[in-house]
Amino acid sequence: KNEVEQSPQNLTAQEGEFITINCSYSVGISALHWLQQHPGGGIVSLFMLSSGKKKHGRLIATINIQEKHSSLHITASHPRDSAVYICAVSIGNYQLIWGAGTKLIIKP
Amino acid sequence: NAGVTQTPKFQVLKTGQSMTLQCAQDMNHNSMYWYRQDPGMGLRLIYYSASEGTTDKGEVPNGYNVSRLNKREFSLRLESAAPSQTSVYFCASSEHGSTEAFFGQGTRLTVV
Repeated sequence: KNEVEQSPQNLTAQEGEFITINCSYSVGISALHWLQQHPGGGIVSLFMLSSGKKKHGRLIATINIQEKHSSLHITASHPRDSAVYICAVSIGNYQLIWGAGTKLIIKP
Repeated sequence: NAGVTQTPKFQVLKTGQSMTLQCAQDMNHNSMYWYRQDPGMGLRLIYYSASEGTTDKGEVPNGYNVSRLNKREFSLRLESAAPSQTSVYFCASSEHGSTEAFFGQGTRLTVV
């Protein structure tokens, strides 16, 4: 079993829909990261959080440390949000454990 | 700010050839990383450098060597390339091990 599991693997939605991507982990962490990988390949950090909730524009990330679970939400989704969203956890020794990613496609 | 710059963006090698991937960051970060990304898999850590002057093996170090040349630069060397090393390579940096990571644009390497 992978230490970081993301769901769903693939998600296709219509423009405007509310999107939720989930991440569960099985190890003790110091932080959890959400990243976005564009179709061109570049990787951008969206959030780093160790508790609670963070919001940036239409993106919201939450984490429940007790449940070992995090969610990334996108409100009012847009085709430009189409990308692979990756969850990764810091385990305190300079290493990140990565999820396999969720491929999101938003159709106009 | 340039952030993290890695070169080259694309490279084709013949089996047995050597090459060095270069990475530089201008954010005064202590930690730097080399990852590879293969289809259907998450990023896998090859080597990392927690601070200037130190390097450590990650999950998949075999066939690679690294040099932390100074605080800005962290290079990855393939001494004798193999087809199994065909992948997309990413360099990243962070202030410390558990802080936000910044990524380069990636190098698409094909070994034939």
